[in-house]
Amino acid sequence: GQQVMQIPQYQHVQEGEDFTTYCNSSTTLSNIQWYKQRPGGHPVFLIQLVKSGEVKKQKRLTFQFGEAKKNSSLHITATQTTDVGTYFCQTGANNLFFGTGTRLTVIP
Amino acid sequence: DAGITQSPRHKVTETGTPVTLRCHQTENHRYMYWYRQDPGHGLRLIHYSYGVKDTDKGEVSDGYSVSRSKTEDFLLTLESATSSQTSVYFCAIRTGTGDQEAFFGQGTRLTVV
Repeated sequence: GQQVMQIPQYQHVQEGEDFTTYCNSSTTLSNIQWYKQRPGGHPVFLIQLVKSGEVKKQKRLTFQFGEAKKNSSLHITATQTTDVGTYFCQTGANNLFFGTGTRLTVIP
Repeated sequence: DAGITQSPRHKVTETGTPVTLRCHQTENHRYMYWYRQDPGHGLRLIHYSYGVKDTDKGEVSDGYSVSRSKTEDFLLTLESATSSQTSVYFCAIRTGTGDQEAFFGQGTRLTVV
């Protein structure tokens, strides 16, 4: 299946600092999806990337899909305490495969 | 929440007992999934279904079975629960063949003592 490695596993930032999480694959991906899971909650779909080199923005969040479609990143500018949670990437066709996630802690 | 309901939300059971978790959806989506979530492992796929009576194994299917006799219900059964199956279980649906995003239920926290 299309598996991805996600790094880092944990990230602690001061409020206002930027944050980035990366997903990397050894094979070309057809698409990649990103999710956010708040503490105690369930994963919530954020965005889908399909095209090579695609960049999408949602307010302070910027999502990128690599030119070779083997990697993707999620960047948060000027983190806020509301950004706390675990961010997952997801690939796959029928058997949807999730990265191990990056847990973000924001220190006020 | 895409009309997904998981039951029960919490359960404590003893080692060796059978346990069934239920996932119910209201929107007739074809694809349904069961994941378990453990610290350091993210979300790992147990089984998934692509239609009534059509199921396939995921990466951590040992010790689990599933059934889907109706479009709206996807059941996950632990035939003989073990402590290693203590976890949070999430059901998810996928809305269509061309859509790869998943929508999750609220989760079931299962503790095997």
